[in-house]
Amino acid sequence: ETGVTQTPRHLVMGMTNKKSLKCEQHLGHNAMYWYKQSAKKPLELMFVYSLEERVENNSVPSRFSPECPNSSHLFLHLHTLQPEDSALYLCASSREWGTGELFFGEGSRLTVL
Amino acid sequence: DQQVKQNSPSLSVQEGRISILNCDYTNSMFDYFLWYKKYPAEGPTFLISISSIKDKNEDGRFTVFLNKSAKHLSLHIVPSQPGDSAVYFCAASDAGGTSYGKLTFGQGTILTVHP
Repeated sequence: ETGVTQTPRHLVMGMTNKKSLKCEQHLGHNAMYWYKQSAKKPLELMFVYSLEERVENNSVPSRFSPECPNSSHLFLHLHTLQPEDSALYLCASSREWGTGELFFGEGSRLTVL
Repeated sequence: DQQVKQNSPSLSVQEGRISILNCDYTNSMFDYFLWYKKYPAEGPTFLISISSIKDKNEDGRFTVFLNKSAKHLSLHIVPSQPGDSAVYFCAASDAGGTSYGKLTFGQGTILTVHP
C-alpha cells in the first residue's frame, strides 16, 4: 500500500470509446504524475501537475487529456485511442515537484482493440 | 536516444549470493539517481537513491555505487533473498536543470533469486 490508488486496474476499450483513468493519493503530496509503460520500454513521463497546475506535457498526443481538479486527484481522459496506446499507465505523486522520490500506484492496464 | 540504459534484461542469482545490477547513462547533467523495484501487478517502489556528490550509499542489504567519470551506477544486494525477485529500474534526474523533477528511467532488469 503506497498511498496512491488507481482505478480501474484493467480497462479494455475500442478505438472510438471515451474512458477515464483515475488516480487518488492520500499522502498530502503536491505533485502528481502520469507515466506510461509499454512492453520492453522504459517508463515514459506523460504529464506532471504541481499544485493542480500542469507543469510538464511530454509531447503527448491530444487523445490523452489530463485533469487535476485538486492536489489529491488526477485523471487521464482517453478518446479515440489507437492499439499502440495499449500499455500500463502509472500514476505517481511526490511531496513537491522536483523531489525524486515518487510513490507509484499499481497501474491501470489498458488494452485498445 | 535512450539516456539511461540497463543493458542486462535479466539476472539470475543463487540465494545468499550477491546480486549486481548495472545502469549506464549518457547525460552528464544528471546529478541524482534512484533505484526502483517492481513486483508483478504492483507499481514501482522506491528503493535507494544517490546524489552525484557521493559515490556510495548504503541501506541495509542494498548499496548503490556511482562512478561519475564512467557514467555508471550499480546496485548491490547482499545477501540476495528470493523475495528480492522483481524488476529493478534505474532512474536519473538533473535536479538543478530545466527538467527538474523529470525522471528518466532505464528499461529495467528482471532479477530472479533462486532458493
